[in-house]
Amino acid sequence: QKEVEQDPGPLSVPEGAIVSLNCTYSNSAFQYFMWYRQYSRKGPELLMYTYSSGNKEDGRFTAQVDKSSKYISLFIRDSQPSDSATYLCAMSISGGYQKVTFGIGTKLQVIP
Amino acid sequence: DGGITQSPKYLFRKEGQNVTLSCEQNLNHDAMYWYRQDPGQGLRLIYYSQIVNDFQKGDIAEGYSVSREKKESFPLTVTSAQKNPTAFYLCASGDTQETQYFGPGTRLLVL
Repeated sequence: QKEVEQDPGPLSVPEGAIVSLNCTYSNSAFQYFMWYRQYSRKGPELLMYTYSSGNKEDGRFTAQVDKSSKYISLFIRDSQPSDSATYLCAMSISGGYQKVTFGIGTKLQVIP
Repeated sequence: DGGITQSPKYLFRKEGQNVTLSCEQNLNHDAMYWYRQDPGQGLRLIYYSQIVNDFQKGDIAEGYSVSREKKESFPLTVTSAQKNPTAFYLCASGDTQETQYFGPGTRLLVL
């Protein structure tokens, strides 16, 4: 079993829809949770990071962490065609240098 | 402009050849990382460095080597010992553990 599970998709939604992207994980020691957006043939871009449980909002993006269920989500409101990309979840254990573990990414397509 | 640069964008390797991928950052970050990305797999850590003149192996270091002579630079050499080098290579740097910033990547292909 992988430490981080993420559905690769593809996920196709119409423009304006609310998108929900999710990851589950098995290591209860993870404390930091990140979401990256990666356009085709480009490097990942950090979108959001959260510490421990709770929600964090930035514009149209909301990151949610439920440590009791070992489940994290990224919501995109009013999705745009420019949101079409692969979204990677990532997580790490706090304290000193710790390896960041990435999901395989979910490919999202927002159809105009 | 601050950021991370990687060169070249595309690199072709002949069998038995060593090739070096460049990574430079002007973000004044202490830590730098090299990842490999393959289709259907998450990013896998090759090497990382927290300070100049020090680096550590990641999960898949075999067939790769690095150096960290300057804070700004962390080149990766793919040696002939790496039998399956075709992949997208990503360099990252960071100031804290939870925030890693990535470069644009280098795509390595084998002739």
